[in-house]
Amino acid sequence: DTTVKQNPRYKLARVGKPVNLICSQTMNHDTMYWYQKKPNQAPKLLLFYYDKILNREADTFEKFQSSRPNNSFCSLYIGSAGLEYSAMYLCASSSFLGGHYAEQFFGPGTRLTVL
Amino acid sequence: GDSVTQTEGLVTLTKGLPVMLNCTYQTTYSPFLFWYVQHLNEAPKLLLKSSTDNKRTEHQGFYATLHKSSSSFHLQKSSVQLSDSALYFCALSAATSSGQKLVFGQGTILKVYL
Repeated sequence: DTTVKQNPRYKLARVGKPVNLICSQTMNHDTMYWYQKKPNQAPKLLLFYYDKILNREADTFEKFQSSRPNNSFCSLYIGSAGLEYSAMYLCASSSFLGGHYAEQFFGPGTRLTVL
Repeated sequence: GDSVTQTEGLVTLTKGLPVMLNCTYQTTYSPFLFWYVQHLNEAPKLLLKSSTDNKRTEHQGFYATLHKSSSSFHLQKSSVQLSDSALYFCALSAATSSGQKLVFGQGTILKVYL
């Protein structure tokens, strides 16, 4: 099974409220990623976990948190949502063994709308 | 830093015609290039990938050739079908101290009509 699952598929949030998005995979992949995708823009990497090590991109360092309680699950947490957080959030996973050539397997995304 | 450019935001074609979606990249390292396709309401999926200079890679009727001399990895198909309507992303694998990450182009929407 090469499925990456994301919950919920659609999320409506109020400005200033927290948001928690969930991703899971059953491929025993060591690396899990979160991307933000806005219309007419490239998917932007927010952060990724290699095993238990969290790596956050410099320009989004303070805006997003994440946790990975076990190998299969990874969450994306926004402490206080702003209008600019409205976007599609894509989760992906891959195996470190693939190196630079590793395929990333994506979930269908969570569409977050902040009002 | 590493970057990927896709020049067309939207390509519309009649079924049966050939298509080429452009992708160019910038990197100071050895390039690993990918094409991902995302159909409506589905997850992006790998279409094809390459790291070998001047070698054609094919999958599901699509093909692409990595040309290091021109930093390009254009996606082509000789005869598009209605089912090819989707969003196509070109991506470059970039090394980090903790593993691999993908740098994406902004994507090209391909719409195929009867």
